Amino acid sequence: DTAVSQTPKYLVTQMGNDKSIKCEQNLGHDTMYWYKQDSKKFLKIMFSYNNKELIINETVPNRFSPKSPDKAHLNLHINSLELGDSAVYFCASSPFSTGELFFGEGSRLTVL
Amino acid sequence: AQSVTQLDSQVPVFEEAPVELRCNYSSSVSVYLFWYVQYPNQGLQLLLKYLSGSTLVKGINGFEAEFNKSQTSFHLRKPSVHISDTAEYFCAVKAGTALIFGKGTTLSVSS
Repeated sequence: DTAVSQTPKYLVTQMGNDKSIKCEQNLGHDTMYWYKQDSKKFLKIMFSYNNKELIINETVPNRFSPKSPDKAHLNLHINSLELGDSAVYFCASSPFSTGELFFGEGSRLTVL
Repeated sequence: AQSVTQLDSQVPVFEEAPVELRCNYSSSVSVYLFWYVQYPNQGLQLLLKYLSGSTLVKGINGFEAEFNKSQTSFHLRKPSVHISDTAEYFCAVKAGTALIFGKGTTLSVSS
């Protein structure tokens, strides 16, 4: 049973479109995250939610909007996609006390 | 602010050779440090972590790391690597409620 699962795994779309990536964790963690990994493999925190409340919102274009319907789910919606949004997006969850992250498999977004 | 620097972007080694991947951190408070591995087209998997206690930390797949406060380092080591260890390795430090990652080190093991 996958601990942190993301869908879809691959996403190919045109500039200007809107897309969503879904994430679910069954670990019972209170904190969930979105990270972006660029073509050089650099990982950058985008957002973090603790028990459905936004606690980290890094300098990310407001075309990106996270939504957490409950503490087991954290979705990412992206409006008006641009070429530079092409990346792998990782969802992760964490037991708040240790900070250790449990990652999903990633969602590779390609914007044409 | 906390940060990590991985000193080598690429480390090529031969199978069964020892390897060390270097990581320095910058922090003004107590640190929690991590090493993650990423195999091609996969997510990140925790290798080991330092939260407190013994400065020598043992992880999965025969890896270990030593926390050195005076040198602000957390280098990853393995005495004998396998082809299957070929992957990207990330050092990370806990900063507030998130992890800040280094830029990664590509370990390439050849026969």
